[in-house]
Amino acid sequence: AQSVTQLGSHVSVSEGALVLLRCNYSSSVPPYLFWYVQYPNQGLQLLLKYTTGATLVKGINGFEAEFKKSETSFHLTKPSAHMSDAAEYFCAVSHSNYQLIWGAGTKLIIKP
Amino acid sequence: GAVVSQHPSRVICKSGTSVKIECRSLDFQATTMFWYRQFPKQSLMLMATSNEGSKATYEQGVEKDKFLINHASLTLSTLTVTSAHPEDSSFYICSADRGMNTEAFFGQGTRLTVV
Repeated sequence: AQSVTQLGSHVSVSEGALVLLRCNYSSSVPPYLFWYVQYPNQGLQLLLKYTTGATLVKGINGFEAEFKKSETSFHLTKPSAHMSDAAEYFCAVSHSNYQLIWGAGTKLIIKP
Repeated sequence: GAVVSQHPSRVICKSGTSVKIECRSLDFQATTMFWYRQFPKQSLMLMATSNEGSKATYEQGVEKDKFLINHASLTLSTLTVTSAHPEDSSFYICSADRGMNTEAFFGQGTRLTVV
């Protein structure tokens, strides 16, 4: 069965520091990969997605993620954290049936 | 980007009553809509998949008689929580899909509290 693992339910970084949110998946075939963000009291918003082509994907708000097939990973990064980045981030995968399989989410905490 | 509107955003109801949640795709036709439930400190759990004009497909463990889904048109799907109980209190989110492997667009979610 397919699964998505997000390492760390909470990640805390200082403002201006590097953000790294980890996502690993299990799949027998290359999936489509997504990162979504959920700000407090809001719905989900797509940050970025990988379907085919370049493995380094740039998204909104300065985030990017790299698909590494050999490591079955799709980690999300941002060079410099901002207070407004505090939110919950979800990694998800899908295949041809376009149903999303979700990770458990990682709450990003930004320290002043 | 495409907009999905979910209503209401918050609802409090008494135990035993029914609550209807609407999910509308405002500027596109959604071939498929999904309903998710999010428990505190947990990820989204897919409850059911609905296609316009056909019966919804429920995930294992989801009671179809309790969570009634109607997908009457290409822009509207509704989830009715029947005879709600406190354990049904949760955050419900819908999403709409324009086709295979395209981006799914999410509603704002509905916080249901059953008292």
